[in-house]
Amino acid sequence: ETGVTQTPRHLVMGMTNKKSLKCEQHLGHNAMYWYKQSAKKPLELMFVYNFKEQTENNSVPSRFSPECPNSSHLFLHLHTLQPEDSALYLCASSQDPLLVTDTQYFGPGTRLTVL
Amino acid sequence: GDSVTQMEGPVTLSEEAFLTINCTYTATGYPSLFWYVQYPGEGLQLLLKATKADDKGSNKGFEATYRKETTSFHLEKGSVQVSDSAVYFCALSDWGGSQGNLIFGKGTKLSVKP
Repeated sequence: ETGVTQTPRHLVMGMTNKKSLKCEQHLGHNAMYWYKQSAKKPLELMFVYNFKEQTENNSVPSRFSPECPNSSHLFLHLHTLQPEDSALYLCASSQDPLLVTDTQYFGPGTRLTVL
Repeated sequence: GDSVTQMEGPVTLSEEAFLTINCTYTATGYPSLFWYVQYPGEGLQLLLKATKADDKGSNKGFEATYRKETTSFHLEKGSVQVSDSAVYFCALSDWGGSQGNLIFGKGTKLSVKP
């Protein structure tokens, strides 16, 4: 499945570093999402963009900064992270989040480790 | 609020055994229901979905039927293979939820032994 790609696949960073995660979707969808998957916790929705406009921000700390320049690309800029931010970060896309039948398709994720 | 409850894992089966992973949900409206699978080291893949009551989703030998009367969406497979070893997530989307908010269960880890 190559509809949604994410880079890098693995990232190790210190608490003072600045890095960015990239996501690209090749499905012609209008909405893109960032999720956080931590060990032993349910998936957490972080941000939703629909037609490049941010429509959801689930109380995510400001050290995570999303950017969506167009419907095909989504970034997550990271700065001054904490070790508890270590997790798998998943990107997803879908056609229309306003439809209850809308289906989200996920990328392979970026495994982030904060030292 | 909306929620999804899955059976606790891990589930360990022998190859060719019958699989059932239970999933029940609570929703205020008329949700769509999904099963996603996550293989080791990978992201989530959509396995199957159902968008209205009595619909049956199926894919790769897996099936799940949307049962409104029991608010359930149990995943079944008649004969599992070693390659089915993964974590399975039940999820719902609902009009009552915020935009794009899929509600996931905690996941059930399946291990299939040869």
